[in-house]
Amino acid sequence: RKEVEQDPGPFNVPEGATVAFNCTYSNSASQSFFWYRQDCRKEPKLLMSVYSSGNEDGRFTAQLNRASQYISLLIRDSKLSDSATYLCVVNRGNKLTFGTGTQLKVEL
Amino acid sequence: SQTIHQWPATLVQPVGSPLSLECTVEGTSNPNLYWYRQAAGRGLQLLFYSVGIGQISSEVPQNLSASRPQDRQFILSSKKLLLSDSGFYLCAWTPRSDYGYTFGSGTRLTVV
Repeated sequence: RKEVEQDPGPFNVPEGATVAFNCTYSNSASQSFFWYRQDCRKEPKLLMSVYSSGNEDGRFTAQLNRASQYISLLIRDSKLSDSATYLCVVNRGNKLTFGTGTQLKVEL
Repeated sequence: SQTIHQWPATLVQPVGSPLSLECTVEGTSNPNLYWYRQAAGRGLQLLFYSVGIGQISSEVPQNLSASRPQDRQFILSSKKLLLSDSGFYLCAWTPRSDYGYTFGSGTRLTVV
């Protein structure tokens, strides 16, 4: 079983739509969780940290369910500029383990 | 503010040639440093990480090596490149192991 699993997509959505990505992780001892965004042929960039209480940053909402070892990212009112690959990330000791990413394509 | 520099941006090397990629961080001290590789269409694979000068942990045995000669300098090397070494090499840093990482802009290596 992979340490971090994500649906690779692609998710093709119209502009203005709400889209949700899910991720599961296998190490119950993980303490830190993140969502990263990676544009084509670019480095990954931190989108937001994920907390048990849930957290929101503008149109983006992240949720963590420790009991189910499940992380989610909700994007509301999708923009064309949201098109990218979204990486679910979980810590393992001194290291972060990255999922392979979910591709989002926002269309007119 | 902290910045991370990685160079070169692209590199084409023949099979069997040596490799040296450098990464430096500015504006912080004693960062955790990481080398990742991303093969075409694949996820990020952790290669090496370092929590201090001279301290290197290897995640994947292969023909690559890493060194940290100074606090904010991390070097990825190979004596003889293989075709399978092609990929997007990313350096990253963090002030603490439970913080998110900041990545450099990456080096796209093609071994021919």
